[in-house]
Amino acid sequence: TQLLEQSPQFLSIQEGENLTVYCNSSSVFSSLQWYRQEPGEGPVLLVTVVTGGEVKKLKRLTFQFGDARKDSSLHITAAQPGDTGLYLCAGISRATSSNTGKLIFGQGTTLQVKP
Amino acid sequence: DVKVTQSSRYLVKRTGEKVFLECVQDMDHENMFWYRQDPGLGLRLIYFSYDVKMKEKGDIPEGYSVSREKKERFSLILESASTNQTSMYLCASTWGVLNEQFFGPGTRLTVL
Repeated sequence: TQLLEQSPQFLSIQEGENLTVYCNSSSVFSSLQWYRQEPGEGPVLLVTVVTGGEVKKLKRLTFQFGDARKDSSLHITAAQPGDTGLYLCAGISRATSSNTGKLIFGQGTTLQVKP
Repeated sequence: DVKVTQSSRYLVKRTGEKVFLECVQDMDHENMFWYRQDPGLGLRLIYFSYDVKMKEKGDIPEGYSVSREKKERFSLILESASTNQTSMYLCASTWGVLNEQFFGPGTRLTVL
């Protein structure tokens, strides 16, 4: 069974601080996605990384896919209260041969940014 | 604006009841998914469907069944609800690999 381990599971920081969330596996993934979920809503896609070593930036968020495509990180610079939410990484297994889009999700990281 | 809607935001049922959760998407997506979300466990796949009348078991299908009679609609059925099925249920759809999964707002189900 392929697993994605996220750390930390919970993070509470002050506005303006930097943080990094990690998503690790012993398995190789074809691609990895990061979602953010706000209370009372479903997850919303932030980014998809496909190539080993790829770095993508979305304003103050930087996403990196490991060279071996087994891990990924999300770095937030100068966190804002609006960044508060649950962050989920999700991978598409290389073993998936169909085009069903089936994802394997990490446990999630709950981020609280205090003003 | 693309949309995935779920029939109820909150639902309270009694042990042993048959429960229907419905999901509708307006994006003509081939693939639809049902997940349950529990604290510290992330999203766990219950069932998914890659075409009308086609379905495959996910990681935790026990106690659940699904129905997809029309492309836009995917139903999750709890044949005999139990208290350990109290959870947040999320429906999602997508049209293929590498593509964004669009989620509904979720149904918080409580089984008493």
